[in-house]
Amino acid sequence: GQQVMQIPQYQHVQEGEDFTTYCNSSTTLSNIQWYKQRPGGHPVFLIQLVKSGEVKKQKRLTFQFGEAKKNSSLHITATQTTDVGTYFCVCSGGSNYKLTFGKGTLLTVNP
Amino acid sequence: DAGITQSPRHKVTETGTPVTLRCHQTENHRYMYWYRQDPGHGLRLIHYSYGVKDTDKGEVSDGYSVSRSKTEDFLLTLESATSSQTSVYFCAISPLEYRESYEQYFGPGTRLTVT
Repeated sequence: GQQVMQIPQYQHVQEGEDFTTYCNSSTTLSNIQWYKQRPGGHPVFLIQLVKSGEVKKQKRLTFQFGEAKKNSSLHITATQTTDVGTYFCVCSGGSNYKLTFGKGTLLTVNP
Repeated sequence: DAGITQSPRHKVTETGTPVTLRCHQTENHRYMYWYRQDPGHGLRLIHYSYGVKDTDKGEVSDGYSVSRSKTEDFLLTLESATSSQTSVYFCAISPLEYRESYEQYFGPGTRLTVT
């Protein structure tokens, strides 16, 4: 089945610094989603990307889907302590209603 | 948050005992899922359902069974719990049948410890 690899596994930043996490696949993806999980919480859907080269923004978060639809990134500008958590990229694994999660990037922010 | 609840929220059980986790939704969605989350593995799909009495296996289904007799309830059963099934279990639903988006909404999770 489809798999996605995420890097880095961990990232620690000072508040106000930018943060980027990357998601890569060896196969072409039909779509990619991003989720955030706060410590002790459950995954929360952030966004879905479908089109080649797509860029979407949510306030300080910028999501990109690569031209070849094999990679994606999430960039946070000027991190805040509320950004702490694990960010997962997720792809449709085989059939569109089954999701395969990457292992996530744990972001910690030093105030 | 989507109307998803899980029960129990925490459970400690002994090896060899049966355990049933319940996921209840108020959204009337067709698609429901059970995942487990373990350090170093992320979230892995155990079983999913695409309608009442329609279920299928995910990538880590061994040792688990599911049932869905009503749209709103999806049950996950560990027939004979083992220590390797100590994990956090999440239920999720998807509005896939209503719009072309594959996002899933997760319940609060059940922390299961098998001693």
